[in-house]
Amino acid sequence: KNEVEQSPQNLTAQEGEFITINCSYSVGISALHWLQQHPGGGIVSLFMLSSGKKKHGRLIATINIQEKHSSLHITASHPRDSAVYICAVQRNYGGSQGNLIFGKGTKLSVKP
Amino acid sequence: KAGVTQTPRYLIKTRGQQVTLSCSPISGHRSVSWYQQTPGQGLQFLFEYFSETQRNKGNFPGRFSGRQFSNSRSEMNVSTLELGDSALYLCASRGQTNTEAFFGQGTRLTVV
Repeated sequence: KNEVEQSPQNLTAQEGEFITINCSYSVGISALHWLQQHPGGGIVSLFMLSSGKKKHGRLIATINIQEKHSSLHITASHPRDSAVYICAVQRNYGGSQGNLIFGKGTKLSVKP
Repeated sequence: KAGVTQTPRYLIKTRGQQVTLSCSPISGHRSVSWYQQTPGQGLQFLFEYFSETQRNKGNFPGRFSGRQFSNSRSEMNVSTLELGDSALYLCASRGQTNTEAFFGQGTRLTVV
């Protein structure tokens, strides 16, 4: 079983819809990252969170440490939101913080 | 502030050759991590460098190596290339441990 599981793998939405992508993990973590990857490869960091909730524009990320679960929400989705969204966790042992463990990603397609 | 710069963007090599990829982190960032992304395995951690020292290493064979220079620029080297090494190689830099990671655009390596 993967240490980081994302669902769904693929998601198609109509413009304007509310979107939720889920991430569950099985290891102890110090932080969780939500990343966005557009075709062509470049990755953009959307959020890094270790508790509670963060909001940036139309994007909201939440994390429940006890349940080992995080969600990424996109309100009023737009075709430009089409991308692969990747959840990554940072283990909570001391020392290196660079070792991220990644989910397989959720491919989102928003139709106009 | 300039972002994370990876060179070259694209590379085609022949089996058995070796390759060196370069990553220039954001100015002032001392942590550089390297990741491999393939369609089958997704994103996987290769290694992390901090202040010229390798702090952590992923589960890759010894053909994969890296180093970091005093100006925090990092290189990774893959020797005796195999077809399976074809991938997108990404690096990410951080200012301090446990902070947001900033990714480069990646180097797409094709081994023929």
